[in-house]
Amino acid sequence: NAGVMQNPRHLVRRRGQEARLRCSPMKGHSHVYWYRQLPEEGLKFMVYLQKENIIDESGMPKERFSAEFPKEGPSILRIQQVVRGDSAAYFCASSPGEGVYGYTFGSGTRLTVV
Amino acid sequence: SQKIEQNSEALNIQEGKTATLTCNYTNYSPAYLQWYRQDPGRGPVFLLLIRENEKEKRKERLKVTFDTTLKQSLFHITASQPADSATYLCALANNNDMRFGAGTRLTVKP
Repeated sequence: NAGVMQNPRHLVRRRGQEARLRCSPMKGHSHVYWYRQLPEEGLKFMVYLQKENIIDESGMPKERFSAEFPKEGPSILRIQQVVRGDSAAYFCASSPGEGVYGYTFGSGTRLTVV
Repeated sequence: SQKIEQNSEALNIQEGKTATLTCNYTNYSPAYLQWYRQDPGRGPVFLLLIRENEKEKRKERLKVTFDTTLKQSLFHITASQPADSATYLCALANNNDMRFGAGTRLTVKP
């Protein structure tokens, strides 16, 4: 059981490029959450997805950011036309489903925009 | 707006002592509260969960209390060890809506 897998671990993009961050949830987990963390700051909620559905995207900027969790394959967080302010660590977490569970987090993707 | 505050950014204690971390919240009524540990460069790791109708939860050297009147949770690590040094995050949740505090960085000195 490999846990939550995120890739890449590190991603460098030039301003204006697109960034794609991938997250494979833990086996048996159907709920995926994306969080963003800036240095010395807490985790900020971005989006909550179930298979093929976005449940809550209230924490995600309206422009340039999108997320999906297709029927097959990993969840993708996509950032178009990246800017320096997008540089951060992006963490994905998963849980088994409805109910009260601790989240299982991946190791994160560190995005650097140059 | 909802606010989650964790006491002091950093806490330094001597090995063997009890570390006590505080999490206060406002404008929120969580159904449950969780504590996570995060090491540098890693994702958070789930430690303990306590529901709104529970006063206290224990797991080995860890103890969590939850006071919904004071809107506060206390997280204790007894007989602390240098290996306990990390950042500890509290998280408040209703259903699948979970929000995190900024964390307290704990350093246990040998």
